[in-house]
Amino acid sequence: QVQLVQSGAEVKKPGASVKVSCKASGYIFTSYYLHWVRQAPGQGLEWMGTINPRSGSTTYAQSFQGRVTMTRDTSTSTVYMEQSSLRSDDTAVYYCARGGSILMWFGEFDHWGQGTLVTVSP
Amino acid sequence: DIVMTQSPDSLAVSLGERATINCKSSQTILYSSNKKNCLAWYQQKPGQPPKLLIHWASTRESGVPDRFSGSGSGTDFTLTITSLQAEDVAVYYCQQYFTTPRTFGQGTKLEIK
Repeated sequence: QVQLVQSGAEVKKPGASVKVSCKASGYIFTSYYLHWVRQAPGQGLEWMGTINPRSGSTTYAQSFQGRVTMTRDTSTSTVYMEQSSLRSDDTAVYYCARGGSILMWFGEFDHWGQGTLVTVSP
Repeated sequence: DIVMTQSPDSLAVSLGERATINCKSSQTILYSSNKKNCLAWYQQKPGQPPKLLIHWASTRESGVPDRFSGSGSGTDFTLTITSLQAEDVAVYYCQQYFTTPRTFGQGTKLEIK
C-alpha cells in the first residue's frame, strides 16, 4: 500500500534552517508528483510547492520562493523540503502529499504523510 | 491565484441529519479534456493529516461512505453528508488542483448539534 513516512519533529531557533524528509513506498516513486503543505497551529492548509520526482523540477508558491528548496533522492524514494531563515510564524505541521501522475499536471492529493511539527522558538 | 471560499465557517448538525458545505472558486477550474472540475474535498480530524474524500468534484474515493457526495459546476461546489454520524465531526476543506498555486478553502468545522 502507498505510504509516505516523514521525519520527526524539529525545534529550531529563528534564522536557522530545517530539512524535512518524506520517504515514499508502495508505488513507483518517479511516477507521481509530491507536494508539501503546511498547517500553522489552529489554521488551515497552505500549499508550499511541488517536485517532479523523475526530473527533479520544482514549482514553489510565491510566498516561499527563495526560502524553500525541494529535492529528491530516487535511490531511496525520498523527497526533502528545506526551509531557511526560519521565523516564529513558520511554526507549523508540515505534510508531504502525493499528487497526480507526472504525465498529467492535474491531480488530487490522495495520500499524505503523517506530518512533521517544526517549532521555531528563541 | 485562484481563491477558494467556503461557507459556512462552522456548522452544527444533529445526528442523522444532512450537512451541506459550499465552496466557491474565483475562476473556472474546468479541465477541458475531460470536462471535469479539478476540485477535491478533504476531511481532517484533530491530530491527523487530511484525508481525500472526493475528487473531480463528484468522484468518491474508494472506501469513503456513500453518505458523502460532491456536486457542482462552474465555480460553485457542494459537499453533502447525508445522515450525519458522530465520526463525521471534523474540519472539511475544498481544494482546486487546476493550477498552481494549489489553493484550499479556509475550512469548515462540522460539529454535532
